Amino acid sequence: DSGVTQTPKHLITATGQRVTLRCSPRSGDLSVYWYQQSLDQGLQFLIQYYNGEERAKGNILERFSAQQFPDLHSELNLSSLELGDSALYFCASSVGTGNSPLHFGNGTRLTVT
Amino acid sequence: AQKVTQAQTEISVVEKEDVTLDCVYETRDTTYYLFWYKQPPSGELVFLIRRNSFDEQNEISGRYSWNFQKSTSSFNFTITASQVVDSAVYFCALSESYSGGYQKVTFGTGTKLQVIP
Repeated sequence: DSGVTQTPKHLITATGQRVTLRCSPRSGDLSVYWYQQSLDQGLQFLIQYYNGEERAKGNILERFSAQQFPDLHSELNLSSLELGDSALYFCASSVGTGNSPLHFGNGTRLTVT
Repeated sequence: AQKVTQAQTEISVVEKEDVTLDCVYETRDTTYYLFWYKQPPSGELVFLIRRNSFDEQNEISGRYSWNFQKSTSSFNFTITASQVVDSAVYFCALSESYSGGYQKVTFGTGTKLQVIP
């Protein structure tokens, strides 16, 4: 158990809809990362937060947004969903220093129909 | 700029064979960290090992071993006497630290290992 909690585990929704994915980091971790993994693809970095502030942005679409709250949990909001957004979305957390491994949650599998 | 290359997209081996997964990285920094992660078919990502740029000692953990060579910017992962349970996608990652709690992590594209019984 990595200590990172992601909810929900599975999400099925229709095109055009909006969903929110939630992540609770490991106790003591200040940094949260979001990754997207499409079928048989690698990990696409979306966005990173550290102690409530955005630190880095990757290939995140404008339809997607995220935030990290004062209690350090994070939410990833996906709107105007398209079929191509179907993927496994991972949250990871770390202490935030360079030598910190990322600890991943079990992911949320999003299916857009 | 950071870059991690895992040139082997897929590898198939027969059980009990040894297999090496290659990882080559690029960075301008002198202080950095390298990681390996395993993603079994069940989907979760599991942290395997961390290595810092100042420690070139090879590491062995059971059937797993890691060979870090700064001269060739490589951090290769060898599984000895492979087992079916080793079947997974393996990711190599490079991490650098910047001020203000900014840790930049770059993942390779992963190598899918299939161990055939």
